[in-house]
Amino acid sequence: EVRLVESGGGLFKPGGSLRLSCAASGFIFNTYSMHWVRQTPGKRLTWISRITGDGTTKKYADFVQGRFTISRDNARNTLYLQLTDLRGDDSAVYYCTRGYYGTGAFADWGPGTLVTVSS
Amino acid sequence: DIVMTQTPLSLSVTLGQPASISCRSSRSLVHDDGHTYLSWLHQRPGQPPRLLIYKISDRFSGVPDRFSGGGSGRDFTLKISRVEADDVGLYFCMQATHFPISFGQGTRLEIK
Repeated sequence: EVRLVESGGGLFKPGGSLRLSCAASGFIFNTYSMHWVRQTPGKRLTWISRITGDGTTKKYADFVQGRFTISRDNARNTLYLQLTDLRGDDSAVYYCTRGYYGTGAFADWGPGTLVTVSS
Repeated sequence: DIVMTQTPLSLSVTLGQPASISCRSSRSLVHDDGHTYLSWLHQRPGQPPRLLIYKISDRFSGVPDRFSGGGSGRDFTLKISRVEADDVGLYFCMQATHFPISFGQGTRLEIK
């Protein structure tokens, strides 16, 4: 069974940094692209970033503007998202998702981790 | 960037009746490889989204055949033939033909 579990969320101050983790199991991790998606309190979903299975190719949404970095450790079956220079509008539930090969769809989602940015 | 526009934003349906949600993209979603990477997701309250439909009309594993997807180019539709209580929640369309990947704003389905 595919399992994705995010961690690292919490309450953070504006301008601060954090690293989110996503522990993956139930599939051959290094053969799948992985994505981060966030959902605002108003329930809007926004794609953040994708990293290929070998970690060599990364793509980001325009709004990231160099503040976020996606990475992965295939030996630990873990996906990461480093967030820096936090702003209030970064407050959201952050999900990691697994791409469904050849379909462009997200077949598996973790339960999400809540990030709140507030002074 | 591709803007995905869903209509309606909310839907109130009697149990057993059909429901339909539309999704329009700001550009054609036909990829250079000939496929159209348009999917539909359902999110129940307090849960992450789950995949219903991919590549316009292919149902994901375990999705009942009450759910069907259709459309082409820029216009797409999700249909539920007979709404059940479990169908409440938010429905999102999503395109992955063009980066950045983008989602519709969501349609809330409730039972009348």
